[in-house]
Amino acid sequence: AQSVTQLGSHVSVSEGALVLLRCNYSSSVPPYLFWYVQYPNQGLQLLLKYTSAATLVKGINDFEAEFKKSETSFHLTKPSAHMSDAAEYFCAVSEGNNDMRFGAGTRLTVKP
Amino acid sequence: SQTIHQWPATLVQPVGSPLSLECTVEGTSNPNLYWYRQAAGRGLQLLFYSVGIGQISSEVPQNLSASRPQDRQFILSSKKLLLSDSGFYLCAWSPDTGNYYGYTFGSGTRLTVV
Repeated sequence: AQSVTQLGSHVSVSEGALVLLRCNYSSSVPPYLFWYVQYPNQGLQLLLKYTSAATLVKGINDFEAEFKKSETSFHLTKPSAHMSDAAEYFCAVSEGNNDMRFGAGTRLTVKP
Repeated sequence: SQTIHQWPATLVQPVGSPLSLECTVEGTSNPNLYWYRQAAGRGLQLLFYSVGIGQISSEVPQNLSASRPQDRQFILSSKKLLLSDSGFYLCAWSPDTGNYYGYTFGSGTRLTVV
């Protein structure tokens, strides 16, 4: 079965610094990959998705992620962190059969 | 546009009491519906999903059950809650079984069993 590993349960960056959240996946078929963001006591909001088109995917709020098949990775980046980016981020993988699996999440802290 | 509603937002229930959480979707028909549980500091665990009225698939054995009495209504229930049932419960929907579009989540229910 497919699975996701998010490296680093907590990441802290300074405002204006690069954000890099790591995600590695395991899948027996070409996967669909997703990044979601969750603010405290709220549901998850879709940031971006990879569905076998362009390997560099752009999402909302200047986030982007690159699908690297050789590395089985789908890392999330943002060039310049804002205070409002502080939240928990989840990487997810689906093989396309009501089977979306989520990573354990990475909590992003942004320091002023 | 499509919206998903989930209630209540918070719930405190004693051990052994029943549970009913409701989720409804507006603005679409025949959605795929999902219940996830999020425990503190952990990721999301898929509990149930449904591809149509009366069709429920269970992912993990537990004392919870789900029902879909109407096309856009998904209910999570328990006859007797356990302490381990505490967590953040999220309902989600997707227009397709293949998950191509990703999921849209409700705002969640925080359940504390005391």
